[in-house]
Amino acid sequence: GENVEQHPSTLSVQEGDSAVIKCTYSDSASNYFPWYKQELGKRPQLIIDIRSNVGEKKDQRIAVTLNKTAKHFSLHITETQPEDSAVYFCAAPQPFSGGYNKLIFGAGTRLAVHP
Amino acid sequence: GAVVSQHPSWVICKSGTSVKIECRSLDFQATTMFWYRQFPKQSLMLMATSNEGSKATYEQGVEKDKFLINHASLTLSTLTVTSAHPEDSSFYICSAQRQGAGGANVLTFGAGSRLTVL
Repeated sequence: GENVEQHPSTLSVQEGDSAVIKCTYSDSASNYFPWYKQELGKRPQLIIDIRSNVGEKKDQRIAVTLNKTAKHFSLHITETQPEDSAVYFCAAPQPFSGGYNKLIFGAGTRLAVHP
Repeated sequence: GAVVSQHPSWVICKSGTSVKIECRSLDFQATTMFWYRQFPKQSLMLMATSNEGSKATYEQGVEKDKFLINHASLTLSTLTVTSAHPEDSSFYICSAQRQGAGGANVLTFGAGSRLTVL
């Protein structure tokens, strides 16, 4: 089955700096890698995702890079703002019968952006 | 679009009672829904996969008789915590799977249900 490892567990940056969170996965057949943001007491929200046929995807201040050979993908947040403070989860799918993929989540990274 | 409604948002119950949590996909059909459990400051732990019209698939270590899942329609899955005990206190989150852009299966999460068992 899929195993997803996420680092660091906590990350503290100054407003305006960049933040990078890295994840590794074990199943070379995995082909879809989403990132979720969870604010305190709220549901996880999908912020960006990438498929295995591309190496990078960008959406304003957020980007995700994928290295299939090394089986790792990273979340990059530039020009961080205090509202970026949250817990971020990476995930990778594990195939199961029925044609759908279930997501296995990393342990999460608690990002704190200080004004 | 792609809204998942989960109720109740919080519930307090006495030890030994059963609690039912509902998860509804409001504007799309979801043949597959997932139930996660999240302890404070921890990750989402997949409990089971809920399949419309068939039995749920439970992850290793999750008691199927303890956590009953029913997925009777394309828009509703329910999780019943039977004979709840304090150790069952947790944040339970459902998610519904839909087809996103490019054919990827995208998960949309419910708001979660915080269960406290006294």
